[in-house]
Amino acid sequence: EAQVTQNPRYLITVTGKKLTVTCSQNMNHEYMSWYRQDPGLGLRQIYYSMNVEVTDKGDVPEGYKVSRKEKRNFPLILESPSPNQTSLYFCASSSRTGAWTEAFFGQGTRLTVV
Amino acid sequence: GENVEQHPSTLSVQEGDSAVIKCTYSDSASNYFPWYKQELGKGPQLIIDIRSNVGEKKDQRIAVTLNKTAKHFSLHITETQPEDSAVYFCAAGSNFGNEKLTFGTGTRLTIIP
Repeated sequence: EAQVTQNPRYLITVTGKKLTVTCSQNMNHEYMSWYRQDPGLGLRQIYYSMNVEVTDKGDVPEGYKVSRKEKRNFPLILESPSPNQTSLYFCASSSRTGAWTEAFFGQGTRLTVV
Repeated sequence: GENVEQHPSTLSVQEGDSAVIKCTYSDSASNYFPWYKQELGKGPQLIIDIRSNVGEKKDQRIAVTLNKTAKHFSLHITETQPEDSAVYFCAAGSNFGNEKLTFGTGTRLTIIP
């Protein structure tokens, strides 16, 4: 089954404690991205990756890091989480050898930073 | 960069009636316009998309129209059913330069039985 898997689904952490949210896709997609969803703001892109070892900032990259060492994985790293990073996070992947195609989203990770 | 505005933010429709959600975009280079449906507790899922070389696309009860001159596109859902209740997002993307897919702020659609 084609899918994007995020872990964990729920996470409560304290300010300043480093955390990683994992994302894995089994569709051999080149393009992967991270979004955060906040009420009234929709989905805002944090980082994206066109392929292995190629990453770039989205609209709200401050406070986040990513890496793309393997095609299937695209972890999101919060080195020093702060309460304003409390949000619902989604990872997505799509085939981008040319034109845009369907983006497949994970189930989401609800992060609370206290 | 691209800016996508979506209206309305909430929409209540009697079951069986039609629902229309509208989006405008700012970047004339955008050429891909998908619509996503997000059910409670789930990630967004593509329901229909349109490219800039087409003015309208239909898939059963769902249709999308695109006006490139005015830079706006709309989602039309006919004969609405309770399972259409969800949050809907429009988005805009370009194949050139800007590799981001920019989303609207979402519309919460409620179908009243």
